[in-house]
Amino acid sequence: EAGVAQSPRYKIIEKRQSVAFWCNPISGHATLYWYQQILGQGPKLLIQFQNNGVVDDSQLPKDRFSAERLKGVDSTLKIQPAKLEDSAVYLCASTITSGFHTDTQYFGPGTRLTVL
Amino acid sequence: AQKITQTQPGMFVQEKEAVTLDCTYDTSDPSYGLFWYKQPSSGEMIFLIYQGSYDQQNATEGRYSLNFQKARKSANLVISASQLGDSAMYFCAMSASSNTGKLIFGQGTTLQVKP
Repeated sequence: EAGVAQSPRYKIIEKRQSVAFWCNPISGHATLYWYQQILGQGPKLLIQFQNNGVVDDSQLPKDRFSAERLKGVDSTLKIQPAKLEDSAVYLCASTITSGFHTDTQYFGPGTRLTVL
Repeated sequence: AQKITQTQPGMFVQEKEAVTLDCTYDTSDPSYGLFWYKQPSSGEMIFLIYQGSYDQQNATEGRYSLNFQKARKSANLVISASQLGDSAMYFCAMSASSNTGKLIFGQGTTLQVKP
């Protein structure tokens, strides 16, 4: 079974530019999460989708970040315009069921973003 | 609100010895799950072990075991017979029944295994 796929693995941009990250969850997984991990910290949730609906986006900086999961499968996270403090690893995770607290989340390899 | 605390920024262990990584948590939810993940330098988060709040026995997965002390709100990870490949960052995380399944992570502990 293929794992969670993410691309690109690395991205370097200048501040005020835009960037997009892509995630394809494990096949059949209903719930998809985007986390931001700043260097030296644990990941923090940005947004959670259940199928193609948003469950939790309370920590998403909506003035610059947006995300979609149009067909309930893969997802795109966009930052426009980027700031220096957006430099982080962006992790995508998925679970087979609908966001129960007992579900194990499986993570992709992450996208390391550097904003100069 | 839920909180995870990992008080050991870095740990060293000799190859083939056992090591305990500490984790304490705080939640008012009666039902919750506790997870440990390993993050090598490559960046991917690898699931290691899970403990449910109502589980009577400590979870074990191969060389990994979770020392769950509910009254103390601690969920320490024990790695037996350490290997060089165990060198990585380790994160404790929690998900509670009230928070839609999202994980709350601690700050992490860096483990270095010495040959």
